[in-house]
Amino acid sequence: SQQGEEDPQALSIQEGENATMNCSYKTSINNLQWYRQNSGRGLVHLILIRSNEREKHSGRLRVTLDTSKKSSSLLITASRAADTASYFCATGGLEYGNKLVFGAGTILRVKS
Amino acid sequence: DAEITQSPRHKITETGRQVTLACHQTWNHNNMFWYRQDLGHGLRLIHYSYGVQDTNKGEVSDGYSVSRSNTEDLPLTLESAASSQTSVYFCASSATGGISSNEQFFGPGTRLTVL
Repeated sequence: SQQGEEDPQALSIQEGENATMNCSYKTSINNLQWYRQNSGRGLVHLILIRSNEREKHSGRLRVTLDTSKKSSSLLITASRAADTASYFCATGGLEYGNKLVFGAGTILRVKS
Repeated sequence: DAEITQSPRHKITETGRQVTLACHQTWNHNNMFWYRQDLGHGLRLIHYSYGVQDTNKGEVSDGYSVSRSNTEDLPLTLESAASSQTSVYFCASSATGGISSNEQFFGPGTRLTVL
């Protein structure tokens, strides 16, 4: 069963706009990760946030984590056409060992 | 550069045949994983391994098996292919660095069609 649930399922924006994707999860976690998948490719790791962190930045990416609400958000600022992809959150926790549990993903389309 | 490769990239087979999908990583990672990806389900874990001779069942393991005879390879076998196993299969690996740093590296995927 999926641990993370992304929202929205699909998002279409204009180039230059910001894109926000949300992820909710059910059980306690040690970390939450975001991955990107371009069409026909494997997933690529974007960013990891630990359970004791509230916010993390990497380039145009900003991730927040609210463990009290069991939710995370991924913000992509100044989006580009090349950001068009599916984005997945994945959670890791004590009960999962070294495994990750992935959500169903958000499909982002950036129109130029 | 280290990488993780999968072969074949595309495979068409018939119901009832045995199929093996290969996964090879040069990261020297202890942990390896097999997922299947279907529309509306995201990635679901099939089998995983934490080291040589170690294998474990994941969420959707029925009809699949794996073996780990060395660090680099984790082949996935479909014992008797079924149409329900038509999917895209991804292999991934990660280092053993504690559960707080388990970033996974993914292969390019194998698209399997069972007719």
